[in-house]
Amino acid sequence: QVQLQESGPGLVKPSETLSLTCTVSGGSISSTSSYWGWIRQPPGKGLEWIGDVYYSGNTYYNPSLQSRVTISVDTSKNQFSLRFTSVTAADVAVYFCARRDNRGRNNWFDSWGQGILVTVSS
Amino acid sequence: DIQMTQSPSYVSASVGDRVTITCRASQDISSWLVWFQQKPGRAPKLLIYAASSLQSGVPSRFSGSGSGTDFTLTISSLQPEDFATYYCQQAKNFPYTFGQGTKLQIK
Repeated sequence: QVQLQESGPGLVKPSETLSLTCTVSGGSISSTSSYWGWIRQPPGKGLEWIGDVYYSGNTYYNPSLQSRVTISVDTSKNQFSLRFTSVTAADVAVYFCARRDNRGRNNWFDSWGQGILVTVSS
Repeated sequence: DIQMTQSPSYVSASVGDRVTITCRASQDISSWLVWFQQKPGRAPKLLIYAASSLQSGVPSRFSGSGSGTDFTLTISSLQPEDFATYYCQQAKNFPYTFGQGTKLQIK
């Protein structure tokens, strides 16, 4: 099973851009049976899917966040990234990266990173 | 968006009890339903996929059932390590959506 690890700043100023990277190990990000996603969880609250990227660069975003989100992939580094613009206090959350198994009729997040808490404050 | 509603939001139970958590989708999602377990400070862990298939390595006391709009997660005999929060998620349509969670607490 692949392992995923989020990295990036844990503190972002209001109105600035949040940038996180997920490094994949134990498998190739270019796998045709995987999508790579970001999910977030505000403190004490539930889970919200942000979006997914395929190794080819194809992306799927949550419409509620789409205007502020960009997810990209770097196959040479086995990494994918999240860019979230114009952050506010409402964006404070633990951000998880995850692998979505897309083999056959599979379509679920079966491997997750440990998560990274992002705080928004000046 | 497909809305996912879990019940109850909280359940108190004892070791050895049988517990059932329900999840209802706002529209037909066939069997495109997964269940996660999450412990404090940890990432969600996949328990059940395709509504009723047990993920590799997950104890057989966990089971899932249902199709269409109504689903259940059952833990047949609670163990101390099962006290956690459980989430359902629909995997049929974008945007993927989660239930609000069910916190399983020790009685």
